[in-house]
Amino acid sequence: EDKVVQSPLSLVVHEGDTVTLNCSYEVTNFRSLLWYKQEKKAPTFLFMLTSSGIEKKSGRLSSILDKKELFSILNITATQTGDSAIYLCAVEPETHNTNAGKSTFGDGTTLTVKP
Amino acid sequence: DSGVTQTPKHLITATGQRVTLRCSPRSGDLSVYWYQQSLDQGLQFLIQYYNGEERAKGNILERFSAQQFPDLHSELNLSSLELGDSALYFCASSEGQGVGETQYFGPGTRLLVL
Repeated sequence: EDKVVQSPLSLVVHEGDTVTLNCSYEVTNFRSLLWYKQEKKAPTFLFMLTSSGIEKKSGRLSSILDKKELFSILNITATQTGDSAIYLCAVEPETHNTNAGKSTFGDGTTLTVKP
Repeated sequence: DSGVTQTPKHLITATGQRVTLRCSPRSGDLSVYWYQQSLDQGLQFLIQYYNGEERAKGNILERFSAQQFPDLHSELNLSSLELGDSALYFCASSEGQGVGETQYFGPGTRLLVL
């Protein structure tokens, strides 16, 4: 059974701090790993990672994948109160006729950024 | 705004009842996904439809069923509801068949079963 584990479960920091969120996975026929940010409404897509060692960056957020060690990290620098959210990691398998789109999500890391 | 719409926003019903949740994907997207998010189970993939056909099935109970119509909107039917079915139900859509594609999520329907 595919498995995604995120750590820590929750994190409280002050504005300006840098945080690192972890996602480890066990998946048959890995295809891609995705990070989402979920606030009060629906999750919004952040990054999709398919190749090891290539950092994806968007503003203060960056993410990297290690396919050998089966994990990914999401970094947020100079955190702001607006970064407070649940961060979800999901993995998708390679295409099989009966398996397309069947992603496995972790339970998320709850980040709270205090002023 | 992701372009994915879901109705209703909130739903309160009693055990044993049946409800229908509706999702309209982004314009041009052919795949629709349904997810259930509850406090004790986290986010769980339920089912995917692609261009009207079931494409992938996840942890969906037999009491639940879904379909995608010719206009590509989708409905998730939940029957014989139990207290444990209370959750946030998300719909997402993507352009093609899904693998590695960005999925755009709707705002969710919050279901409370009393």
